[in-house]
Amino acid sequence: AQRVTQPEKLLSVFKGAPVELKCNYSYSGSPELFWYVQYSRQRLQLLLRHISRESIKGFTADLNKGETSFHLKKPFAQEEDSAMYYCALKRLGNTGKLIFGQGTTLQVKP
Amino acid sequence: DADVTQTPRNRITKTGKRIMLECSQTKGHDRMYWYRQDPGLGLQLIYYSFDVKDINKGEISDGYSVSRQAQAKFSLSLESAIPNQTALYFCATSDGTSGRDNEQFFGPGTRLTVL
Repeated sequence: AQRVTQPEKLLSVFKGAPVELKCNYSYSGSPELFWYVQYSRQRLQLLLRHISRESIKGFTADLNKGETSFHLKKPFAQEEDSAMYYCALKRLGNTGKLIFGQGTTLQVKP
Repeated sequence: DADVTQTPRNRITKTGKRIMLECSQTKGHDRMYWYRQDPGLGLQLIYYSFDVKDINKGEISDGYSVSRQAQAKFSLSLESAIPNQTALYFCATSDGTSGRDNEQFFGPGTRLTVL
């Protein structure tokens, strides 16, 4: 069965520290993986997708098929990065359906 | 700006009542989704619709029904609300016509409390 696991409910770091939000998945085919973010009082929105191989707001995520992981990283956390982060996987085919992980709250302390 | 809106934003109801949550979008997207968010469980898909005549159950459809009244409107109904349906409900849309369909756009959410 397809599944996305985010093992940490809460990750708390100090400003300027490196951040790694973990995401592991199980999937029988070739996955498409995404990170969505929800800032306080804002809507859930796409942060980045693995196929774009882009850096958004200093965040990057590399798909590791051997480890079935898609961890989100940032070398120096900022207070404005505090938010809820969801890893999501897209099912086979052009279905558009996403499977979300449980979410990780990132708290960046001053 | 093209947007996804949900009404109501907050609702308190009693066990056994029928309630409808509405979602409208001006993005011109063909695909619409309903999710519920529970602490520790993330977002779970309730129903999704790829066009007006195409409606499908998601992972947790029991106790819910939907109606796609038009391309821009997708309503979620709880026929007889129960307390464990207390949650935050999100509507989302995506563009399936481009062949990429890689991003979903979310509404602001409806906080539902069933007493």
